[in-house]
Amino acid sequence: DAGVTQSPTHLIKTRGQHVTLRCSPISGHKSVSWYQQVLGQGPQFIFQYYEKEERGRGNFPDRFSARQFPNYSSELNVNALLLGDSALYLCASTRRGGAYNEQFFGPGTRLTVL
Amino acid sequence: GESVGLHLPTLSVQEGDNSIINCAYSNSASDYFIWYKQESGKGPQFIIDIRSNMDKRQGQRVTVLLNKTVKHLSLQIAATQPGDSAVYFCAVPPGTMEYGNKLVFGAGTILRVKS
Repeated sequence: DAGVTQSPTHLIKTRGQHVTLRCSPISGHKSVSWYQQVLGQGPQFIFQYYEKEERGRGNFPDRFSARQFPNYSSELNVNALLLGDSALYLCASTRRGGAYNEQFFGPGTRLTVL
Repeated sequence: GESVGLHLPTLSVQEGDNSIINCAYSNSASDYFIWYKQESGKGPQFIIDIRSNMDKRQGQRVTVLLNKTVKHLSLQIAATQPGDSAVYFCAVPPGTMEYGNKLVFGAGTILRVKS
């Protein structure tokens, strides 16, 4: 079975630009969450989606938005990029009610903002 | 809010030795704790978890110890192998797991295994 997939693997943008990151959950998983991992730190929760609805939001500005599609894949959008948005963006999926040992992370998208 | 932290940012051990990675948490109401391993170029991978009604839980070559009195947990890796080289995080779910996924992660400890 394929794990959580994310695209692109790496991305370089300049300040002020917009970026879209994509995530495909494990087949059968309906919940997707996004995390930001700045170099040298642990992941920080950004969003959680289940059945196409936002179920949780972390302490991130409105420049960050996300959505989930009918096939349960998800996009994370970041507008007006800042240098501080440079990070590894992780997507995790689980089925509803799944235990944490049934939550799987993708390899992440490395975003560099110049 | 919840915060978690680690005492040692980097740990170097000799292959075959035991490793101990520590983590402190701030919320005394936390009742569930998880350890993750993150290898280079990969996302975090679940290792082992423990509930607050337990003091110790063992897995394959790993043991997690929980001391609720001082709000501290540790991950012990027996007979550390080169493949154990990674960053290790403790994490705490701040709420219910109904829809899953939200976690508060610590800063991480780098484990380097010397052959």
